[in-house]
Amino acid sequence: QQQVKQSPQSLIVQKGGISIINCAYENTAFDYFPWYQQFPGKGPALLIAIRPDVSEKKEGRFTISFNKSAKQFSLHIMDSQPGDSATYFCAASYTGTASKLTFGTGTRLQVTL
Amino acid sequence: DVKVTQSSRYLVKRTGEKVFLECVQDMDHENMFWYRQDPGLGLRLIYFSYDVKMKEKGDIPEGYSVSREKKERFSLILESASTNQTSMYLCASSQQGLPQHFGDGTRLSIL
Repeated sequence: QQQVKQSPQSLIVQKGGISIINCAYENTAFDYFPWYQQFPGKGPALLIAIRPDVSEKKEGRFTISFNKSAKQFSLHIMDSQPGDSATYFCAASYTGTASKLTFGTGTRLQVTL
Repeated sequence: DVKVTQSSRYLVKRTGEKVFLECVQDMDHENMFWYRQDPGLGLRLIYFSYDVKMKEKGDIPEGYSVSREKKERFSLILESASTNQTSMYLCASSQQGLPQHFGDGTRLSIL
């Protein structure tokens, strides 16, 4: 049973455009929603995270939007750059699970010139 | 800067072999994790350790075991390798809470 559904599977965006990746979750006990960025040949790196008490969190060109009632959250990359080309994973966890994360299936982003 | 080092980038083993994957972190982190990454499935937790000699099963522990004799080292053991264990294996660490720092992975092929 997949608890975190991520879309799209792949995404091509022109340089300067906005990249949007969406995730939906089922377990209402989830209370922490991180995003990871993974470059080819490298392990994932924690990019940005949000808790459900806020609807939006912004760090530089990266913004997480959170809709608690719809059980959805999304990553927006503003002014997308070729260096942003990577695979992005959303994830979710809840307090008391000994630090276990449930990952989405990943979105491969390609930013073209 | 935190470094998580996995001993091998690529490994080829035969069915039935006992396989050891090693991971070392250099920041005295309490937590260490082993994940496997498969296309279309994302990352799935195999085992988690929150202290020396302490471990907890993840979502897919079957066919695997782990060892943490020293704080900086976390080993994943495939007791009798099978072809369905061909995958990318990722080690991670964190001081507390969720995995923050990942190694670059070991791509394991079981023939």
